Amino acid sequence: EPEVTQTPSHQVTQMGQEVILRCVPISNHLYFYWYRQILGQKVEFLVSFYNNEISEKSEIFDDQFSVERPDGSNFTLKIRSTKLEDSAMYFCASSELLAGWTYNEQFFGPGTRLTVL
Amino acid sequence: SQQGEEDPQALSIQEGENATMNCSYKTSINNLQWYRQNSGRGLVHLILIRSNEREKHSGRLRVTLDTSKKSSSLLITASRAADTASYFCATVTGGFKTIFGAGTRLFVKA
Repeated sequence: EPEVTQTPSHQVTQMGQEVILRCVPISNHLYFYWYRQILGQKVEFLVSFYNNEISEKSEIFDDQFSVERPDGSNFTLKIRSTKLEDSAMYFCASSELLAGWTYNEQFFGPGTRLTVL
Repeated sequence: SQQGEEDPQALSIQEGENATMNCSYKTSINNLQWYRQNSGRGLVHLILIRSNEREKHSGRLRVTLDTSKKSSSLLITASRAADTASYFCATVTGGFKTIFGAGTRLFVKA
């Protein structure tokens, strides 16, 4: 069964450093998403992406964040200058486009645990 | 409260019993989805119900949606110890924005 994959599974970085989190969505999916989950808290929407542009973003997704689909398979989240409070699990998800622009279920990757020291 | 709030926050039941979790939301939605998460791991999609649907079944799961009350419920029948997890509702609005609730932690005792 196709699945969303994410790398690395765990990233440790120093405050102020840039990190890039990588995701490979399911191949025929056209919508992509990033979420984060701070330990013990709920999953928070960061951004949705379709047709090579951001569809929607949350207040969390400020100028320090960016997303990119550099090729036909990868979808990346970049944090330019990490802060301690960026420590969280980051989940990528993808979903397919159905006829009539119907939304469909999102398939989540296993997540990348980001630790900012 | 925020979009997609579940109650109860925690639920402990015996194996074989039914578990009911509720979700309330504030804005208009395209669809509502329920997810399961085991102990900080990835989210597993359980069921999606569209705004024009009222009830949906999948195996031991039954989801209802009342758009007039902006609420949904997830019923797990004949629970098993393996159902122990956190369950989240997520509302999807225009622009593919998905808002998750705080979740219900379900503990099923064998």
